[in-house]
Amino acid sequence: SQQGEEDPQALSIQEGENATMNCSYKTSINNLQWYRQNSGRGLVHLILIRSNEREKHSGRLRVTLDTSKKSSSLLITASRAADTASYFCATLRVGAQKLVFGQGTRLTINP
Amino acid sequence: EAGVAQSPRYKIIEKRQSVAFWCNPISGHATLYWYQQILGQGPKLLIQFQNNGVVDDSQLPKDRFSAERLKGVDSTLKIQPAKLEDSAVYLCASSSLRGYSSYEQYFGPGTRLTVT
Repeated sequence: SQQGEEDPQALSIQEGENATMNCSYKTSINNLQWYRQNSGRGLVHLILIRSNEREKHSGRLRVTLDTSKKSSSLLITASRAADTASYFCATLRVGAQKLVFGQGTRLTINP
Repeated sequence: EAGVAQSPRYKIIEKRQSVAFWCNPISGHATLYWYQQILGQGPKLLIQFQNNGVVDDSQLPKDRFSAERLKGVDSTLKIQPAKLEDSAVYLCASSSLRGYSSYEQYFGPGTRLTVT
């Protein structure tokens, strides 16, 4: 069963704008991870945020986690055409030994 | 370091035929995962190995799917016989013991299977 649900399912913005994707989940987690998947490729790990963290940065990526609302957001600043991809959140539930992936957000950056 | 290798990249078979996929994880990674990703969906875990032992295969359709990792390195996933609904991308991923508690994973390029 899918634990995380991304919102929106699809997002189209102009190059240079910021892109925000959200992920909601249902049960307590140890960590939440974001992955990117370019068309026809495997997934690439972007960033991991632990349940006791509220915000993390990596380059143009900013991830927030609100455990009280069971939600996370991924912000990509100053978007580029190369950011066009699908983005997935994956959660590691407390007591579990596997990640559960959401359905993903398909991001399109228009030149 | 070399990434996760998978072969073949593409495979087209007829229903009721059999097919096998191969995965070579990142050197030294003890944990290996096979995922099924249907078009438009997120990856679904089929089976997880720790060295050559199975950690989780709860979502593996065992009447037709099998997987092995005999020497704790390479792994093969087999489907026999294939059904139309098995059309998907099959992803292999691995993680190190250092990353074991976080389950941060490195993915291969996947094998796109089409069953006609």
